Amino acid sequence: DGGITQSPKYLFRKEGQNVTLSCEQNLNHDAMYWYRQDPGQGLRLIYYSQIVNDFQKGDIAEGYSVSREKKESFPLTVTSAQKNPTAFYLCASSIGQGFTGELFFGEGSRLTVL
Amino acid sequence: AQSVSQHNHHVILSEAASLELGCNYSYGGTVNLFWYVQYPGQHLQLLLKYFSGDPLVKGIKGFEAEFIKSKFSFNLRKPSVQWSDTAEYFCAVNDRWGKLQFGAGTQVVVTP
Repeated sequence: DGGITQSPKYLFRKEGQNVTLSCEQNLNHDAMYWYRQDPGQGLRLIYYSQIVNDFQKGDIAEGYSVSREKKESFPLTVTSAQKNPTAFYLCASSIGQGFTGELFFGEGSRLTVL
Repeated sequence: AQSVSQHNHHVILSEAASLELGCNYSYGGTVNLFWYVQYPGQHLQLLLKYFSGDPLVKGIKGFEAEFIKSKFSFNLRKPSVQWSDTAEYFCAVNDRWGKLQFGAGTQVVVTP
């Protein structure tokens, strides 16, 4: 089945630890995105990548880092510099290199920092 | 900055009632408009989209949305809801920089 796979689904970490969330897609989509979902705030864009080896900051990039070494993979690292990392993280992809098309979302990763 | 406003955070209604969810955006240029839905335990998925043409857009599961440019609105409607429409609904707008901005979401609960 084609789609987006995020792992892990649930993750607990202590304060001060970096955490990497995995996102893999087999849809052959050019663009990939990371969003953060908080109750009452909708989805906020963290980073996006429109092509391999290139990525741009979204609206709330501080405390996060990404890489795009392969077309199908776009891992997100939540660093210790992120002041409020507990959240639900969503990865998405789209055909083409812009935001004009439909986004396909993964099932999300819920990170809890203790 | 571009913003997307959804008027209601929570809506509770009975089966067979009509549903209308409001969405307004702040950008005055050309926009692409979307409604996404997140059913309980499922991933976000596209409900419908508007790029150009007929401002009344029909989506999946009997939903439709109307783009009113003069009001900067893209309201979602369904004439008769079912229990299975219980979900969170997100309006999204593609702004001038190409980034997709989401509204805060509306949680809809349909009671039997």
